[in-house]
Amino acid sequence: DAGVIQSPRHEVTEMGQEVTLRCKPISGHNSLFWYRQTMMRGLELLIYFNNNVPIDDSGMPEDRFSAKMPNASFSTLKIQPSEPRDSAVYFCASSLQGQSSYEQYFGPGTRLTVT
Amino acid sequence: AQKITQTQPGMFVQEKEAVTLDCTYDTSDPSYGLFWYKQPSSGEMIFLIYQGSYDQQNATEGRYSLNFQKARKSANLVISASQLGDSAMYFCAMRANFGNEKLTFGTGTRLTIIP
Repeated sequence: DAGVIQSPRHEVTEMGQEVTLRCKPISGHNSLFWYRQTMMRGLELLIYFNNNVPIDDSGMPEDRFSAKMPNASFSTLKIQPSEPRDSAVYFCASSLQGQSSYEQYFGPGTRLTVT
Repeated sequence: AQKITQTQPGMFVQEKEAVTLDCTYDTSDPSYGLFWYKQPSSGEMIFLIYQGSYDQQNATEGRYSLNFQKARKSANLVISASQLGDSAMYFCAMRANFGNEKLTFGTGTRLTIIP
């Protein structure tokens, strides 16, 4: 089975530009998570969806960030306008709620650099 | 609120020795899950092991075992017969079993295996 797929793997953009990160969860999984990893703040949840519905978006930094999940096999995280402090690795993860452990499987991450 | 504490920023261990990575947690949830993830230098997050708060036995997965002491609120990861490939960052994480699925991560421990 294919794991979680993220694109692009690397993104370099200038401040003020719009950035869109993409994620395809593992087929059959019904929960999808977006995390951000930085040296200063570690790994933190931005938002998660269950059955395509946003459940917890309390970690979304501000209105510049938005996330969508139009169907069970695709999600996007958009930053508009981007700022240098948004530079981080963004991970998408998915899980199957209902299993006893329903561990989250992570994608390879998108390394975002905003100059 | 949930909190994970990993007090060892870095550890150096001789190859083939066993190693224990510490993790303590704090939560008011009656039921929860504890996870360990490995992050090698390549950056991906790899799920290692899971322990449910009501599990009677400590979890084991190959060379990984979780030393779960509920009264002390600790969930230490034990790696037996360490190998050079075990060199990585290790993150302890927690999730409530009901309601919010998000993982709360510790700050991680960087493990280096010395040949």
